[in-house]
Amino acid sequence: GAVVSQHPSWVICKSGTSVKIECRSLDFQATTMFWYRQFPKQSLMLMATSNEGSKATYEQGVEKDKFLINHASLTLSTLTVTSAHPEDSSFYICSAMRTGGYNEQFFGPGTRLTVL
Amino acid sequence: GNSVTQMEGPVTLSEEAFLTINCTYTATGYPSLFWYVQYPGEGLQLLLKATKADDKGSNKGFEATYRKETTSFHLEKGSVQVSDSAVYFCALVNTGNQFYFGTGTSLTVIP
Repeated sequence: GAVVSQHPSWVICKSGTSVKIECRSLDFQATTMFWYRQFPKQSLMLMATSNEGSKATYEQGVEKDKFLINHASLTLSTLTVTSAHPEDSSFYICSAMRTGGYNEQFFGPGTRLTVL
Repeated sequence: GNSVTQMEGPVTLSEEAFLTINCTYTATGYPSLFWYVQYPGEGLQLLLKATKADDKGSNKGFEATYRKETTSFHLEKGSVQVSDSAVYFCALVNTGNQFYFGTGTSLTVIP
């Protein structure tokens, strides 16, 4: 149990287009999901905390208008990279916290975004 | 504040060698500590965790002990295999459920 999926696993897009990444908890409900960004050979950087039914909380320095997060249900959160540019190319990883769980987060497999 | 410091890699070992990856942390209160492993092109997988001082987390031959007195959570394995080649991340979670990750340590095990 406790599987988190991400779709797509990789995406290539042209500069200026928008890309949506989905994060799903497959066998549990997740009130809270987190979105991370990972640059090559670096650690994960928390971008935002997504709470079901409310606005996401963004970390300092993360543009909320560029990285739109929607947590529409207890099993789905989406990250939309708007007007993507090559510097947005990165590995995006989500994690989901099981509702009622304590410090128990499960990570998705990640989405590789390449912006040409 | 909260932070995690890991030994810098990369680490290269021969098969069956002993592995230690150092991890120290700074935190207020009583965090939970974790080791995650990331294989090439994949997301993070929980390797082991410890939720209070003196707890020992273990999994797949890996061990780490939560040492409050030295604020450490070093990862060890007695005999590494080629399949252990991956990047290892130490992390802590404090109040608020936010993870703080170390920078990761790349391990390569050669036959």
